[in-house]
Amino acid sequence: SQQGEEDPQALSIQEGENATMNCSYKTSINNLQWYRQNSGRGLVHLILIRSNEREKHSGRLRVTLDTSKKSSSLLITASRAADTASYFCAAGDRGSNYKLTFGKGTLLTVNP
Amino acid sequence: DAGVTQSPTHLIKTRGQQVTLRCSPISGHKSVSWYQQVLGQGPQFIFQYYEKEERGRGNFPDRFSARQFPNYSSELNVNALLLGDSALYLCASSLLPGQPNSPLHFGNGTRLTVT
Repeated sequence: SQQGEEDPQALSIQEGENATMNCSYKTSINNLQWYRQNSGRGLVHLILIRSNEREKHSGRLRVTLDTSKKSSSLLITASRAADTASYFCAAGDRGSNYKLTFGKGTLLTVNP
Repeated sequence: DAGVTQSPTHLIKTRGQQVTLRCSPISGHKSVSWYQQVLGQGPQFIFQYYEKEERGRGNFPDRFSARQFPNYSSELNVNALLLGDSALYLCASSLLPGQPNSPLHFGNGTRLTVT
């Protein structure tokens, strides 16, 4: 079953603006991860937030996690054209340490 | 250090044929996972292997099989190909399996087209 569900499915912004993507999941998790994918190629890990954490920063990225609502958000500040990509959340299920369950992704377009 | 490498990058097969995809993990990584990504969807877990043993399997038919070699590289085999098997197949490695708070390192994938 689909675990992570990103919202919105597509987002178009201007360079310099902030981009916020949301993710919902269904089961208990060890962590929630965000990945980026350019043009259908490999996924690049961006940031991981553990189930006992509420907020985490990495450079221009800010991730929040609300386990009571089973939701997470990814904020990219001061976006650049190079940030144009698909962004996926992935739930590290508590019951199965060996796999991630991905959502369908948000396609972010940053216009110069 | 080289990242996760996958071969071939692209492949075209006919329905009913068999295909083998290959993956070399990051040096020192002993666990390899395989994911299938259909166009417009997120990756779906197929297998995880560690120390040559299958540690996890997703909801895929028995036509899908994999193995891991002593050097930790891995192969994914798909028999009796269907049109619906057309997808990007991604390999990911990690240092150890079952580490609940470790990220995966993905290769660039093999694009399989079944006609």
